[in-house]
This record gives sequence, structure tokens and C-alpha cells, in this order.
Amino acid sequence: DQQVKQNSPSLSVQEGRISILNCDYTNSMFDYFLWYKKYPAEGPTFLISISSIKDKNEDGRFTVFLNKSAKHLSLHIVPSQPGDSAVYFCAASAGGGADGLTFGKGTHLIIQP
Amino acid sequence: SAVISQKPSRDICQRGTSLTIQCQVDSQVTMMFWYRQQPGQSLTLIATANQGSEATYESGFVIDKFPISRPNLTFSTLTVSNLSPEDSSIYLCSVRTGGSFNEQFFGPGTRLTVL
Repeated sequence: DQQVKQNSPSLSVQEGRISILNCDYTNSMFDYFLWYKKYPAEGPTFLISISSIKDKNEDGRFTVFLNKSAKHLSLHIVPSQPGDSAVYFCAASAGGGADGLTFGKGTHLIIQP
Repeated sequence: SAVISQKPSRDICQRGTSLTIQCQVDSQVTMMFWYRQQPGQSLTLIATANQGSEATYESGFVIDKFPISRPNLTFSTLTVSNLSPEDSSIYLCSVRTGGSFNEQFFGPGTRLTVL
């Protein structure tokens, strides 16, 4: 049973517009959430995280929103740039992030020029 | 963050043999993790490797198949034993640098193909 779900395998967005990637989770014990970006033949690169005590965290062009009641989080990238084209993974952890991560299947973001 | 290297970067192995993957970190870290990414799938946690204690394995992963060593705070190895084609995956190590940082940082991965 998948505890972290990314229901969109791919997403195409025009350069300069906003990219919104979505993630849902089922395990109520998760209290720390992370987004990773992955290029082919490389390991995942950490982007941004959020603790369950917050509902929003911002870092430059990246903002993560957390809706605990809906068990939903989203990553907003604005403005989208060609270098943002990659696979984005949502991950969750219990124990304040001390535990290993449970990953979604990823969303392939394609930024169109 | 931390700089993490893995060796080998890729390998092709015969069925029934074993492969040992090394993970080296440029700083001392308490918590290291090993993950697997099967073709077309997400990353799955294999085990948590803390220095000075036995590795803790996730459901579906056993020590006989995936023995792990953690001799010090900057190094770990994962062995994939008795290889079968189903073990063809990318294997990644990650570290949690601790303190106020709960993020995990990943190595570049080891791509294993079993014939």
C-alpha cells in the first residue's frame, strides 16, 4: 500500500509560468515532508522541506504548502525555468525527520520554452 | 549539506555472485541510510545504518541478502548477495547530517545490472 502518492506521472509547464506539483499521504505518523529533484544518472537533490507544525515554507522560487487535514502537500515553482525540467519526488518521514524516508513515485516536470 | 561518493558507479554482475557498494561521506554523520530504486519505481528504504549498532532493516529486506557494515562515522558498505536479475536497480546511500537539519542528502547512486 503506497503511503505517499504522486498521482501525476508528468507535468508540462511553459517557461515563466508557475509549476504546481502535488503529493498526498496516508500515514498520520508522518510529520516531516521533503521535496527532491532528480536528474537521470544522479542521486536526488534536496530542494525544500516542511515540518508538520507549519503550513508553508518558502525558499527562493520554491514554496511548499502543507494541508494536514487533507494529508496533502504541494510544491510551487515560480517562475519555472528550463533547468527545472527533472523528476520531482515527494518524501515523508516520521519522528521529526529522524526516520528513513518514504517516497512517492515522482512527477516528471517538463518546462516548455 | 554533505558530499557523498559511492563506488562503483555502475556494475554488471552474473547471477549468483555478490556486489559490495561503498559509501563515503566528507564529514562525520550519525545516520546513514541505504535505498533502492528499481526500474520505473520510486526509492525504497532498505535499512538504516548507525555507527556502533546493527543495521535496522525495513520490511521485505533481510540481513542475509543485504548485509551492511558501518565501521566509522564517514563510511558504510552495502552488499547485495546471491544476485538475481530482480536485484537490478540503482542503490543509493544517504546521510542525515543531524542537529537542526532533518534533511537527507543522497549519493550519486550505483547502477547494478544482473545478467
